[in-house]
Amino acid sequence: DGGITQSPKYLFRKEGQNVTLSCEQNLNHDAMYWYRQDPGQGLRLIYYSQIVNDFQKGDIAEGYSVSREKKESFPLTVTSAQKNPTAFYLCASTLDRGGSPLHFGNGTRLTVT
Amino acid sequence: AQSVTQPDIHITVSEGASLELRCNYSYGATPYLFWYVQSPGQGLQLLLKYFSGDTLVQGIKGFEAEFKRSQSSFNLRKPSVHWSDAAEYFCAVLYSSASKIIFGSGTRLSIRP
Repeated sequence: DGGITQSPKYLFRKEGQNVTLSCEQNLNHDAMYWYRQDPGQGLRLIYYSQIVNDFQKGDIAEGYSVSREKKESFPLTVTSAQKNPTAFYLCASTLDRGGSPLHFGNGTRLTVT
Repeated sequence: AQSVTQPDIHITVSEGASLELRCNYSYGATPYLFWYVQSPGQGLQLLLKYFSGDTLVQGIKGFEAEFKRSQSSFNLRKPSVHWSDAAEYFCAVLYSSASKIIFGSGTRLSIRP
């Protein structure tokens, strides 16, 4: 079955460490997105990529980095510069044309102590 | 600025009662409108979408939504809720001039037995 796989589901890190969240899709979608979700704040866009080897900052990109070396993969690195990294992170993808809806992975909950 | 507003943070309805969740968006040409549902600790699932044509759209799980251009609204409705409908619901808008979807802050639905 086609879909988006985020791994791991739960991730624990010590403050000051960088951590990379995985996102893989086999939907042959062009565009991929990373969102952060905090209680009561909905979804906030971190980064998005509409094509391989290109990506744009979203609304809260500071302290995060991404790469898009393959169409299927869009990993997110949470760096030590991110002040409040503990959150639920969602990856999504879309065909990116004609108002196609987003398809979401099941998320990764990151806890930094 | 383009935005989406879900004015109700939390709604509780009795099982079997009707439901309406409100969504308003800032004016923009040719919006694409979506409703998503999220169960705790999971990703978002698309309930329905509106692109053009008939302003009343049917979705999965018995949900429907009505697009009212004059009110900039896209309210979600269900005639009779089930306990399994308890979840968080997000309205989202994609403007044809933009390349990213904007989400509302969500409405948490609780079901009273």
